[in-house]
Amino acid sequence: GESVGLHLPTLSVQEGDNSIINCAYSNSASDYFIWYKQESGKGPQFIIDIRSNMDKRQGQRVTVLLNKTVKHLSLQIAATQPGDSAVYFCAETPQGGANSKLTFGKGITLSVRP
Amino acid sequence: EAGVTQSPTHLIKTRGQQATLRCSPISGHTSVYWYQQALGLGLQFLLWYDEGEERNRGNFPPRFSGRQFPNYSSELNVNALELEDSALYLCASSWTGTGSPLHFGNGTRLTVT
Repeated sequence: GESVGLHLPTLSVQEGDNSIINCAYSNSASDYFIWYKQESGKGPQFIIDIRSNMDKRQGQRVTVLLNKTVKHLSLQIAATQPGDSAVYFCAETPQGGANSKLTFGKGITLSVRP
Repeated sequence: EAGVTQSPTHLIKTRGQQATLRCSPISGHTSVYWYQQALGLGLQFLLWYDEGEERNRGNFPPRFSGRQFPNYSSELNVNALELEDSALYLCASSWTGTGSPLHFGNGTRLTVT
């Protein structure tokens, strides 16, 4: 079946370095992609989204890259800070972007070393 | 702008009882979604409500049900609680049912003993 997954379960980075979190998806019909951050004891927080007609989108300190050829999504965090420590989820929906079809990856833990 | 709010924060029930969880969406959002986040299983889609109607449900038994009120708030009911229902239940809202990001509340931690 179709799935969204993350390459690595954990990522440890030095404070101030850039972080790259990767996500692979298998549904070639995926149309809309979202990254979420979940801190301990809180619900997932929307970070950034991207549609399939784009290959890059930038936010504040974050950039999402989409490579439809290899079905790969990445989240880049510039100058990683301790407050960035959290679990990060990628999510995708098929063409049409029905939110109820949103499929989440299992999450990757980002740990920032001081 | 207030975010998605959920109550209660924690809920402890015994097996066989019923649980009711409540959610208030962001003002202006008409779609409400419920997810279960059990340890090690990620976010599993439960239910989607829009304009007072159930629009879609995930692969959960009928004892998971809910409703959406005219003010777009929602409640999730879980009947005949089982130990495996212990999880974080997350509510999310969006202003459309397609192509707009979900905004989540901080969840209700349900513990079934």
